[in-house]
Amino acid sequence: DTEVTQTPKHLVMGMTNKKSLKCEQHMGHRAMYWYKQKAKKPPELMFVYSYEKLSINESVPSRFSPECPNSSLLNLHLHALQPEDSALYLCASSRGAGEGNYGYTFGSGTRLTVV
Amino acid sequence: SQQGEEDPQALSIQEGENATMNCSYKTSINNLQWYRQNSGRGLVHLILIRSNEREKHSGRLRVTLDTSKKSSSLLITASRAADTASYFCAALRGAANAGGTSYGKLTFGQGTILTVHP
Repeated sequence: DTEVTQTPKHLVMGMTNKKSLKCEQHMGHRAMYWYKQKAKKPPELMFVYSYEKLSINESVPSRFSPECPNSSLLNLHLHALQPEDSALYLCASSRGAGEGNYGYTFGSGTRLTVV
Repeated sequence: SQQGEEDPQALSIQEGENATMNCSYKTSINNLQWYRQNSGRGLVHLILIRSNEREKHSGRLRVTLDTSKKSSSLLITASRAADTASYFCAALRGAANAGGTSYGKLTFGQGTILTVHP
């Protein structure tokens, strides 16, 4: 299995809703990431998990809450989002957790719309 | 803030022609990577060049890295209509969090939209 699987592919949620994005990989990768991408912009790093521990939070608002239940799964819990949070949310994984020379494997993303 | 800038922002060519995209970055890096993205979906890793390498080839792809100028270029030879996509460079640099744990931080450039006409 050489894929990163993200669910759901599309999500529409109200500003008072609570929802979760899910990401799964079975490549034995030890680092996992959440990126946010707005239309016609590059992906922006949100969170880095290495060996199931949060390594970095790029000053992301607390309405986004990451969780790494085990080495294969990564969740992003969403609560009280704003319309400007509408974007493509991408999950990625890499073999190494440090600064090694590894490419990232990306999922297809969840397209989130906040209404 | 984004690590890199890319030019051109958009490139339109005919099938069979070569496409060259350039990328600049601001800080020291461990490696420079290139990704492709179709229609706003997931990114696909194309090629990685380490900071101590100057040129690398993979199939129709050729990437160069000039660390003195903090720049890289991606050349796609003999382009095909199926190469139509957005291409991003991404710079990986090492960092450490407050707890001393090292990690890699991959930061993307602005991207080049490539259109290859049949």
